Amino acid sequence: AQSVSQHNHHVILSEAASLELGCNYSYGGTVNLFWYVQYPGQHLQLLLKYFSGDPLVKGIKGFEAEFIKSKFSFNLRKPSVQWSDTAEYFCAVNVRQAGTALIFGKGTTLSVSS
Amino acid sequence: DSGVTQTPKHLITATGQRVTLRCSPRSGDLSVYWYQQSLDQGLQFLIQYYNGEERAKGNILERFSAQQFPDLHSELNLSSLELGDSALYFCASSVGGNGYNEQFFGPGTRLTVL
Repeated sequence: AQSVSQHNHHVILSEAASLELGCNYSYGGTVNLFWYVQYPGQHLQLLLKYFSGDPLVKGIKGFEAEFIKSKFSFNLRKPSVQWSDTAEYFCAVNVRQAGTALIFGKGTTLSVSS
Repeated sequence: DSGVTQTPKHLITATGQRVTLRCSPRSGDLSVYWYQQSLDQGLQFLIQYYNGEERAKGNILERFSAQQFPDLHSELNLSSLELGDSALYFCASSVGGNGYNEQFFGPGTRLTVL
C-alpha cells in the first residue's frame, strides 16, 4: 500500500542541537513533497515544499529538506534548533498522477529544551 | 491565522447521532479539502471539492458526506456516529485544484462521540 513513513515518533533535543527528521514514501510515480509543522495550539503550517529542480529546498525558520529520489526520502533538517521549534512535524506527499490529495506521515513530535 | 475558519471548535455527541462540520476557505480559494486526524490512523484525506464539484475522494466512509456551496464554504456531514469517529477534523483550502497548490489548514473541529 502507498504510505509515508516518519521514522521518529518523538525527538528530544537541547537548544542549538542539529535536527534531522526522516521521511520516506512508497510511491513509484512523480511526487510533490511537503513538510508541515503544527505548533502547540495552532493550525498546520507549511514549512517547505518540493516540486522539481534543486533537490535541496529551503523553507521558513531556517529549515531545509533534501529530496533523494533513489531513496524515496525527503528528510527535514535544521542546523541549530530553538526552544520555539517545539512542535509536531508532518511529512506529506502528493502523487501527481493520483490527484490532489496529500498523504501524510504520522508525524514526529519535537521537544526542545532550553 | 491561516484564513480558513472551522466551526464548531468542539463537538460532543452520542453514538448514532448526526453532526455537521462547517468550513470557510480563505478568500479567493476554490478548493476545499477535508482530513481526519486520529491517534491510530494519523492525518487521512477524506474528500476534496473544487468550485462546487467533487474533485477527489479518499478514505471517506459511506456514512460521511460533504458538499461545497456556491459561496464556496463546505460542510462535512457525519451520520450514524460510532465511537471510532472521534477525531480531529481539519479543513484545508487552496487556490487551485491540483497538487502544486499549497493547502492552508483551519484550526480543526474536535469531535467526541460518547
